[in-house]
Amino acid sequence: DSGVTQTPKHLITATGQRVTLRCSPRSGDLSVYWYQQSLDQGLQFLIQYYNGEERAKGNILERFSAQQFPDLHSELNLSSLELGDSALYFCASSVSTGLPNEQFFGPGTRLTVL
Amino acid sequence: AQTVTQSQPEMSVQEAETVTLSCTYDTSESNYYLFWYKQPPSRQMILVIRQEAYKQQNATENRFSVNFQKAAKSFSLKISDSQLGDTAMYFCAFMLPSNSGYALNFGKGTSLLVTP
Repeated sequence: DSGVTQTPKHLITATGQRVTLRCSPRSGDLSVYWYQQSLDQGLQFLIQYYNGEERAKGNILERFSAQQFPDLHSELNLSSLELGDSALYFCASSVSTGLPNEQFFGPGTRLTVL
Repeated sequence: AQTVTQSQPEMSVQEAETVTLSCTYDTSESNYYLFWYKQPPSRQMILVIRQEAYKQQNATENRFSVNFQKAAKSFSLKISDSQLGDTAMYFCAFMLPSNSGYALNFGKGTSLLVTP
């Protein structure tokens, strides 16, 4: 158990819908990262937040957005869902942006878009 | 953008044998970090080993060790005395520290099967 929690574990929805994935980082970790793992794209970095502020952006679609709240939990919002958005979404956390920077991964949320 | 290449989609090894997984990367930077992550059938991502590019000494964690060749931009993982529990996907990852974050850039992965 990494100490990072993600809810829900599984999510099944229809095209065009909107969903919210939730992540609680390890106690004391200020940075949260979101990754998408799909069969065709592999593991891709989406976005990073540090202490409530966006820090880095990767291959995140405009239909996707995220935020980190004062209690440091984070949410990833996916809207206008398409079949290709079906994937395993990981959240990871780390203590700070200092180095070395080990990222601890949550168990992931499996999103299926029908 | 930095690219990470794992040229072996699948590998198989017998229990107690040694196996080496390959990884190459492309960067023009000199200060970076390299990682190997393991993803068993449970899908949990687990850090196996980490290497700082400024360190010449290869990292070692119990049965896991790396062969880091900076000039060749190669970062292979050696698993000694393979165990059934080592069956998993193994991902090589690159991190370039910057003021704008510390994202991990992953390769496509190598599926390792350990057989009795």
